[in-house]
Amino acid sequence: DAKTTQPPSMDCAEGRAANLPCNHSTISGNEYVYWYRQIHSQGPQYIIHGLKNNETNEMASLIITEDRKSSTLILPHATLRDTAVYYCIVLNNAGNMLTFGGGTRLMVKP
Amino acid sequence: ETGVTQTPRHLVMGMTNKKSLKCEQHLGHNAMYWYKQSAKKPLELMFVYSLEERVENNSVPSRFSPECPNSSHLFLHLHTLQPEDSALYLCASSLESGSNQPQHFGDGTRLSIL
Repeated sequence: DAKTTQPPSMDCAEGRAANLPCNHSTISGNEYVYWYRQIHSQGPQYIIHGLKNNETNEMASLIITEDRKSSTLILPHATLRDTAVYYCIVLNNAGNMLTFGGGTRLMVKP
Repeated sequence: ETGVTQTPRHLVMGMTNKKSLKCEQHLGHNAMYWYKQSAKKPLELMFVYSLEERVENNSVPSRFSPECPNSSHLFLHLHTLQPEDSALYLCASSLESGSNQPQHFGDGTRLSIL
């Protein structure tokens, strides 16, 4: 499975959009991009995933570049409760193992 | 509320004890997973069950013994554990194994071995 690169930390003002980048330059054609987040003392929470097209759900939007080598998770109106570590993962549709890298620690500030 | 419930949330045990971790999912999923998360190795897949059959076992020591009596319940039986087994044990479920369907996690059991 392809590896991902994320900035170790980011700050965002409450109420503003949080844009979290992820680089996955070695992604292959059948690999999906998944985003999870983990708040201290809780299990990872699924946010969104996609293959080629941009995706949106009630939590976030996922923008995948045309060459699929990078993506951005967008939280449109960040709240204090969005403070967490965000993980970008790529996995093919036959794989079971989620592997979390270092992730991005997002701090939402008042 | 993720639909995946793990008990207990915290467990302290000696190396000679026997205990079990329990996971229950209310999502109607067919696949269930055990992961280990520790500071040294962020997330390690231990076992995968699909429709109550084990489909993946990632070289886990025999002191960890999984059991899946039905597609909603998953257990991890522990015996003669070592201090390095102290970690957060996470259960997850997905609609099917080996698919693009996302895995949904419980909040884990924080295990400490004395």
